Amino acid sequence: GDSVTQMEGPVTLSEEAFLTINCTYTATGYPSLFWYVQYPGEGLQLLLKATKADDKGSNKGFEATYRKETTSFHLEKGSVQVSDSAVYFCALRDDYKLSFGAGTTVTVRA
Amino acid sequence: NAGVTQTPKFQVLKTGQSMTLQCAQDMNHNSMYWYRQDPGMGLRLIYYSASEGTTDKGEVPNGYNVSRLNKREFSLRLESAAPSQTSVYFCASSVGLAGALGTQYFGPGTRLLVL
Repeated sequence: GDSVTQMEGPVTLSEEAFLTINCTYTATGYPSLFWYVQYPGEGLQLLLKATKADDKGSNKGFEATYRKETTSFHLEKGSVQVSDSAVYFCALRDDYKLSFGAGTTVTVRA
Repeated sequence: NAGVTQTPKFQVLKTGQSMTLQCAQDMNHNSMYWYRQDPGMGLRLIYYSASEGTTDKGEVPNGYNVSRLNKREFSLRLESAAPSQTSVYFCASSVGLAGALGTQYFGPGTRLLVL
């Protein structure tokens, strides 16, 4: 079945640093792609999404572009804050369900 | 508007005990899901309910049963808990199956420890 692979963490950054989390996918077609975020002690929430090739999803300063040629959907933020400390999950829509990556823990130090 | 609520927040069981995890949503969503989250493995789908009155197995259904009690509520039952079921359990809901363009709404989770 379709699946996603995302870079392993943990990732530790200083405030205002640039963040990139790599995500690649394997799929027979062109699935919708997502980034979900899980803040400490909470459930997951949708951060951004893209439904077709070359779409760029963006939210809260985060961006990700659906790259068909490289089967990737990397998450980026230009200047992270302490409040961005969380676990980030890449996911794709596989028929009736979402398939999630393993998650990347990001810690931002003041 | 509480979104998706789960009870209990934390539970400790002994091997062989049974328990039911409760989930309710107030968003009038048709579809509901149960996931488990384990370190390094992301979220894995246990069971889902496309609509009221239907339930189907996900990736890891063994050892679990579910009940879609009504449109709002979707419970997960462990009949005979095993240490391998130690995990964090998340309930989620969506407008339709896999959500409108994939958007699912998650509860805060239930942390289960089986000794």
